Amino acid sequence: EDQVTQSPEALRLQEGESSSLNCSYTVSGLRGLFWYRQDPGKGPEFLFTLYSAGEEKEKERLKATLTKKESFLHITAPKPEDSATYLCAVQQTSYDKVIFGPGTSLSVIP
Amino acid sequence: DTGVSQDPRHKITKRGQNVTFRCDPISEHNRLYWYRQTLGQGPEFLTYFQNEAQLEKSRLLSDRFSAERPKGSFSTLEIQRTEQGDSAMYLCASSFIPSLNTEAFFGQGTRLTVV
Repeated sequence: EDQVTQSPEALRLQEGESSSLNCSYTVSGLRGLFWYRQDPGKGPEFLFTLYSAGEEKEKERLKATLTKKESFLHITAPKPEDSATYLCAVQQTSYDKVIFGPGTSLSVIP
Repeated sequence: DTGVSQDPRHKITKRGQNVTFRCDPISEHNRLYWYRQTLGQGPEFLTYFQNEAQLEKSRLLSDRFSAERPKGSFSTLEIQRTEQGDSAMYLCASSFIPSLNTEAFFGQGTRLTVV
């Protein structure tokens, strides 16, 4: 069965302290891997889609990378406004459902 | 286009009552998902539609839950005889399939509290 795990469960960073979040997945074939940001009490906000190993996407202080078994979300010089839960999700084929991981709760302290 | 819209945003109901939530997807999107999310967890898949066809329903979903998408536009999720364990955020998302980009876009959710 498709499975998505994320680590760490929670991460606390000082402002400006770069770090990475991990997403590991087991699917028989990967159509796409998605990263979302979720603020408390709100729906997830789409960040990136990665389709093949070696692919990278960037947006402001965030960079997502993909290998055959995992993805990383790198956060460079984070700011307090980057505090949120970051969710990873996978889709096996275009016609399949999207399965989410449990998320990483990021806190950036001024 | 204003994105995915969900109504109501909050619902408080007494145990045993029925509730219905509505989701209006992004226009042109033919794929619609329902998820449930509890505090500290990722969204849990409930069911999804391709146009008006319900393609899959989670094994975790009891018979008290039913979803419809008449005419392939808006969707409703009904929970019958609500239980305290049904308290959660119910999220709706939509996407366009097939496409080069298959990411789903979410609404703001409906927060259900069963008392």
